[in-house]
Parts: sequence; structure tokens; C-alpha cells
Amino acid sequence: VQLVESGGGLVQPGGSLRLSCTASGFTFRRYSFDWVRQAPGKGLEWVSSISSSSSSKYFADSVKGRFTISRDDAKNAVFLQMNSLRAEDTAVYYCARNEIFGVVTLDLWGQGTLVTVSS
Amino acid sequence: QSVLTQPPSVSAAPGQKVTISCSGSTSNIGTNFVSWYQQFPGAAPKLVIYDTNSRPSGIPDRFSGSKSGTSATLAITGLQTGDEADYYCGTWDSSLSDVLFGGGTKLTVL
Repeated sequence: VQLVESGGGLVQPGGSLRLSCTASGFTFRRYSFDWVRQAPGKGLEWVSSISSSSSSKYFADSVKGRFTISRDDAKNAVFLQMNSLRAEDTAVYYCARNEIFGVVTLDLWGQGTLVTVSS
Repeated sequence: QSVLTQPPSVSAAPGQKVTISCSGSTSNIGTNFVSWYQQFPGAAPKLVIYDTNSRPSGIPDRFSGSKSGTSATLAITGLQTGDEADYYCGTWDSSLSDVLFGGGTKLTVL
């Protein structure tokens, strides 16, 4: 049972990046998923959530209009498309599993992927 | 500035009890379940309390959660040096339709 993030790296301000979160060991389609980030030396910041059916998607104000979230149940994967990246988006991005959308119970986390936005 | 307010740090001696508070409002803690996460340096967060006062499998009963009004509390009894970590509260905000985290509390076991 695990989540594995990938796709992080160094990108210039204004650039784009697509993060992936691949799940294994459980029934992927049953769960909602969240992206949570942590800037260096800072606390946790929620980024986005997607429900099990993809019918509900929510975003933090800090990323609204720039980030999109999607999932592919056939591939057991969740994606975070990040556009118009800013220096303040620099963080480790975690993918987390949530059983009930709207109830925050993030019971499984990936190891995180580092996104660095810098020229 | 987090919507959920936690003390930046708490400390206690081994074997003692410590509590970590998380203060919010009616639309978040006052209405919804609270969860707590433990994070060691360089590691991903780990769920230690969910649904305000339930423990996931494998979490010792030294960890407990409670809520009163718009504030939640994580209590850890019989402190061990291995409990030294950052702790975060989390909940849903029904007005914002956002997931909220507290700013985090660094626990030091003296």
C-alpha cells in the first residue's frame, strides 16, 4: 500500500510542471486525493483535492486559476498540473489519500517530490 | 498566517503528559472532524488521530484527541524521546470549502 509522487524538479518562474502520484496496493477508485505542499522550513499547506468520481475539485486561493487536478483510475494515478509557477510555489509536494471527501483524514502519504521555482 | 492556530512549540519531560491545542472557528473545528499529523524531519506526515478522537491502527493509546467548541486538543501521555516531532491539526472548512492545517507545533521531549 503506497503512493509515489514524481515529476518534480527545477523550473523557471512562469513555467509549468506536471506532478504525478501513482498508487498501489488498494482500491484506488474508492478514494479522494489531496495535494499538500511544504515550503522549506515551513508548515503544511493544502493545495488541492479531487473526489473519487472527479465531480468535485477544490483549490487553495494561492493556486486557483494556475493549478488543475485530475485523476486516471485506469492508471491508478492523480495529477497536478502547475502553470504560471512562482518562486513561492517552491516546496515539497505530497500526495495524500482521503477516504471521505470533505472529511480530512489523510491516512496515506507519499514521500513527496521537490519543486523548485528559480531562474 | 494559518486559520487554525497552534502554539509554535511545547515541551515536557519523558514520562510526562503534553497537550497541543488547535483553535479555529465555527465553520471548521466547530462543525467538522479534526485530524492530527506527526512529522519527523525529512519525512512525510503521518496520521495519528482522525475523526477528532480515533486512532489509526498501530498508533499507541498514549495519543488521544478531543474537541470542545471551536478548539481541538491532541494529548500525548507517557512521553518518549521518539515522540519528538512536529504536529499539525487539520480539518475541513465548510464555508471556504478548503482543507485547513494548523501552523504546526514542535514537540520537544526534554
